[in-house]
Amino acid sequence: DAGVTQSPTHLIKTRGQQVTLRCSPKSGHDTVSWYQQALGQGPQFIFQYYEEEERQRGNFPDRFSGHQFPNYSSELNVNALLLGDSALYLCASSLVGARLGDFGPGTRLTVT
Amino acid sequence: AQKVTQAQTEISVVEKEDVTLDCVYETRDTTYYLFWYKQPPSGELVFLIRRNSFDEQNEISGRYSWNFQKSTSSFNFTITASQVVDSAVYFCALTPSNDYKLSFGAGTTVTVRA
Repeated sequence: DAGVTQSPTHLIKTRGQQVTLRCSPKSGHDTVSWYQQALGQGPQFIFQYYEEEERQRGNFPDRFSGHQFPNYSSELNVNALLLGDSALYLCASSLVGARLGDFGPGTRLTVT
Repeated sequence: AQKVTQAQTEISVVEKEDVTLDCVYETRDTTYYLFWYKQPPSGELVFLIRRNSFDEQNEISGRYSWNFQKSTSSFNFTITASQVVDSAVYFCALTPSNDYKLSFGAGTTVTVRA
């Protein structure tokens, strides 16, 4: 039974570019949350998706957007990349209403 | 708004010593959940323990134990007889019962030396 998977593992982008990160939830889970973890800091909540809609959003600009597909997988899109967007992006999946989720291994994004 | 403070940035111990990690939180919510996560160098967050705000019973699970004191808004975590494999960054987190996002502290890096 596969856990939460994320792709790619690492990627390097240039300022101003756009990036798409992908997450496949654990089997049986229907809710996906995204977190940004800058170096040396704790993860910060970006948003959560359920039933293909954004259910809750953290304090992130509109450059950060997402999508959830009918199979519950999710994408995180970041436009007009800034150096400060360099971070580990974590995806967590859970069943709707659950307080406990499973985290994926993360995608390390470097913006140069 | 929620706030989680982990005052200890780094802790270094010798194997078999006990390690206690401090966590202080702020919330206006009357019911909430508290968590401890471990993040090894691989990056994946690993769930360790969860506590409901209405259950202040402290427990021991294997080498892990926790001390939840609502009166002082603290949720401390102890690793007994530490091992090298315990070396990681440990995060305390909070979520209100009517919310879905986790608010994390800045983390405490634990290094266990052989």
